[in-house]
Amino acid sequence: SQQGEEDPQALSIQEGENATMNCSYKTSINNLQWYRQNSGRGLVHLILIRSNEREKHSGRLRVTLDTSKKSSSLLITASRAADTASYFCATLKGAQKLVFGQGTRLTINP
Amino acid sequence: DTEVTQTPKHLVMGMTNKKSLKCEQHMGHRAMYWYKQKAKKPPELMFVYSYEKLSINESVPSRFSPECPNSSLLNLHLHALQPEDSALYLCASSQVLAGNNEQFFGPGTRLTVL
Repeated sequence: SQQGEEDPQALSIQEGENATMNCSYKTSINNLQWYRQNSGRGLVHLILIRSNEREKHSGRLRVTLDTSKKSSSLLITASRAADTASYFCATLKGAQKLVFGQGTRLTINP
Repeated sequence: DTEVTQTPKHLVMGMTNKKSLKCEQHMGHRAMYWYKQKAKKPPELMFVYSYEKLSINESVPSRFSPECPNSSLLNLHLHALQPEDSALYLCASSQVLAGNNEQFFGPGTRLTVL
């Protein structure tokens, strides 16, 4: 089974609103990563948060990590149409195997 | 250059054909990956190469044969595929560093097996 599970599976909001996606995982981690995938294309790395970090920011992105609850959240503030994409969390299993969550499909309506 | 390139973008092949997917990066990364992604699903790891040697094979059927000719190139040779192998095939690369596995992905090859 996938290491990371995300909710919601799909999210539709109005442009300018904030979008929050959640990820839960099962085993201990060194870091957790978030990726974006535009329809049918490659993934783009957004942010990496280490297990000793609780929060990290990058532009309009804010990621939190709660290792006690084995969960992470991705917040996108002031959403734009270009943010429409699928978002995946990913954790490392072993040294090199990146395991992705099921993903959240985000739609930003103009 | 922070780009991973993949060719071809689209590929249609019959079950008796032999074809190859190609991936290239010039970021000096010594780890390269093949993933398979079905529609509305997350990518699933197939193979990992570290320093041009196969380090992970996720029990992939032998009709998929990876090859890493040098540190910049990664190929995936396809033979006798099944229609259920139709998917988006993604290549990625990264540094080989413990605790830092940020991966850079190519745009993928959309494969259709008839």
